[in-house]
Amino acid sequence: DAKTTQPTSMDCAEGRAANLPCNHSTISGNEYVYWYRQIHSQGPQYIIHGLKNNETNEMASLIITEDRKSSTLILPHATLRDTAVYYCIVRTTNTGNQFYFGTGTSLTVIP
Amino acid sequence: DTEVTQTPKHLVMGMTNKKSLKCEQHMGHRAMYWYKQKAKKPPELMFVYSYEKLSINESVPSRFSPECPNSSLLNLHLHALQPEDSALYLCASSLKDAFVQPQHFGDGTRLSIL
Repeated sequence: DAKTTQPTSMDCAEGRAANLPCNHSTISGNEYVYWYRQIHSQGPQYIIHGLKNNETNEMASLIITEDRKSSTLILPHATLRDTAVYYCIVRTTNTGNQFYFGTGTSLTVIP
Repeated sequence: DTEVTQTPKHLVMGMTNKKSLKCEQHMGHRAMYWYKQKAKKPPELMFVYSYEKLSINESVPSRFSPECPNSSLLNLHLHALQPEDSALYLCASSLKDAFVQPQHFGDGTRLSIL
């Protein structure tokens, strides 16, 4: 599976959009981009995933560049409860391929 | 509230003890996972069960023994653990095939080995 690169940490003002980048320059054609987050003292939580089209759900939007070498997770109106470590993961949907969390981005939402 | 329930939330045990961690889900999921997470590190996969059969063992030491008695329950039996095994142990489940659908995680068992 492709390796991902994320900034170690980011800050965002409460109420503003949080844009979390992820670089996956070695992604292959059948690999999806997944985002999870982990709030302190909790288990990871699935946010969103996509292949090449932009995706939106009730939690976030996922923007994938046309060449698929990078993506951005957007939290449209960040709240204090969005403070967490955000993990970007790429993998195929073929069974048997493992699922590796990278080091993630620690997002702090500031009042 | 999480739909994957892990018990106990905290466990302290000596190196000679035998204990078990329990994970339960009632979402009808057929893939279940154990992860280990050290402080300030990402979760690391340990085991995967698919349709109650062990499908992946990430070269985990034999002092960790998983068990999947039925489709709703996953256990991790612990014996003769080392201090370096102190960590947060996370259970997860997903709908059918391992890793294809999104995983739902419990909040973990925080294990301390004396």
